[in-house]
Amino acid sequence: EPEVTQTPSHQVTQMGQEVILRCVPISNHLYFYWYRQILGQKVEFLVSFYNNEISEKSEIFDDQFSVERPDGSNFTLKIRSTKLEDSAMYFCASSDLAGEELFFGEGSRLTVL
Amino acid sequence: GQNIDQPTEMTATEGAIVQINCTYQTSGFNGLFWYQQHAGEAPTFLSYNVLDGLEEKGRFSSFLSRSKGYSYLLLKELQMKDSASYLCAVPNQAGTALIFGKGTTLSVSS
Repeated sequence: EPEVTQTPSHQVTQMGQEVILRCVPISNHLYFYWYRQILGQKVEFLVSFYNNEISEKSEIFDDQFSVERPDGSNFTLKIRSTKLEDSAMYFCASSDLAGEELFFGEGSRLTVL
Repeated sequence: GQNIDQPTEMTATEGAIVQINCTYQTSGFNGLFWYQQHAGEAPTFLSYNVLDGLEEKGRFSSFLSRSKGYSYLLLKELQMKDSASYLCAVPNQAGTALIFGKGTTLSVSS
């Protein structure tokens, strides 16, 4: 069964460092998403991406964040100058059509020290 | 924007039936999703309702009333493995984002 894969599964970084989280969406999906879940809190939408550009972004997705589809398979989330409050699980998701079921990856746990 | 409300926690016993409610307010309705999330894992899709009524899928059913802005997830014959968070979610008006509620943590005991 096709699945969304994410790397790394866990990353520990020092405050102020840059982090890149990688995702390989399901191959025939066209819509890509990043979500964040701080421990014990809700799943929060960060950004959606379609046709090589951002479709929607939340208030959380400020200038510290960026997304990129560097090739035909990867979808990355870059966090510049990480802060303690960026510590969370970051989920990548993809869907075949807009507004349809999202398929989530297993997540990348980011710990900022 | 979207506003989603669901109870924070519920408890039930094995074999029982539990109903998890969700009320929502959204500008432009594009359907309602239920996801299951076990602790430390990713959300997984359970159901999608776009028309009023009950959708049954095995032990799980989901109901929608668009006029009332209300949905529920019904879990029958509860098993210990059903202990998880259940997330109600609605797309934004453009369909470019799926917005999740805070989730209902269900604890099933023997």
